[in-house]
Amino acid sequence: QLVLTQSPSASASLGASVKLICTLSSEHTTYAIAWHQQRPEKGPRFLMKVNSDGSHTKGDGIPDRFSGSSSGAERCLTISSLQSEDEADYFCQTWGTGIRVFGGGTKLTVL
Amino acid sequence: EVLLLESGGRLVQPGRSLRLSCEASGFPFSFYAMTWVRQAPGKGLEWVSAITGSGGDGSTYYADSVKGRFTISRDNSKNTLYLQMNSLRVEDTAIYYCAKEYQYDYFDYWGQGTLVTVSS
Repeated sequence: QLVLTQSPSASASLGASVKLICTLSSEHTTYAIAWHQQRPEKGPRFLMKVNSDGSHTKGDGIPDRFSGSSSGAERCLTISSLQSEDEADYFCQTWGTGIRVFGGGTKLTVL
Repeated sequence: EVLLLESGGRLVQPGRSLRLSCEASGFPFSFYAMTWVRQAPGKGLEWVSAITGSGGDGSTYYADSVKGRFTISRDNSKNTLYLQMNSLRVEDTAIYYCAKEYQYDYFDYWGQGTLVTVSS
């Protein structure tokens, strides 16, 4: 079964960096994923696609502070120089034939 | 600029039906697969249904939680995506988002959502 696992919460200080991790189920470790950001009371926004080799493709207008990487079954989103506006929920998403799957989301708090 | 504008959400009683619409602009709508995603109050995102674009075979896909009750469709002449929801349940209460798929994979643009409340 295609499953994405995320930690429920993360926190980091203003101006610091944070790495959010999304882990693929063991049978699906070569899959690409996408990261989406959802600020409070807003709709989601596509951030980037992250491939199994760590290459990533960003959405329109996504700042350079956002980057992606991969290691085994983990697909990572790193946000550097944290700003208050980065406080949001971050969801990873993947896909198969006839199915789309979300992780449970990580709530990022900027201290 | 890609824009997706959902409409049709409202308060409805359990067992009743509702149709949501998503009007698209800023891209060649017919070519792209489209998706519905929902978010129950205080919860995460849940994929609901997808439909292929003109490059596909018109296939539709559903999450198990809505299979047999919901129907996705599109009118390419009106650049509009639909979600027909029948036999609504309290647990269908959510904000419903439409999203454009890049190439039958990830969602690269999202709408602002429309709220469906199922309650007696």
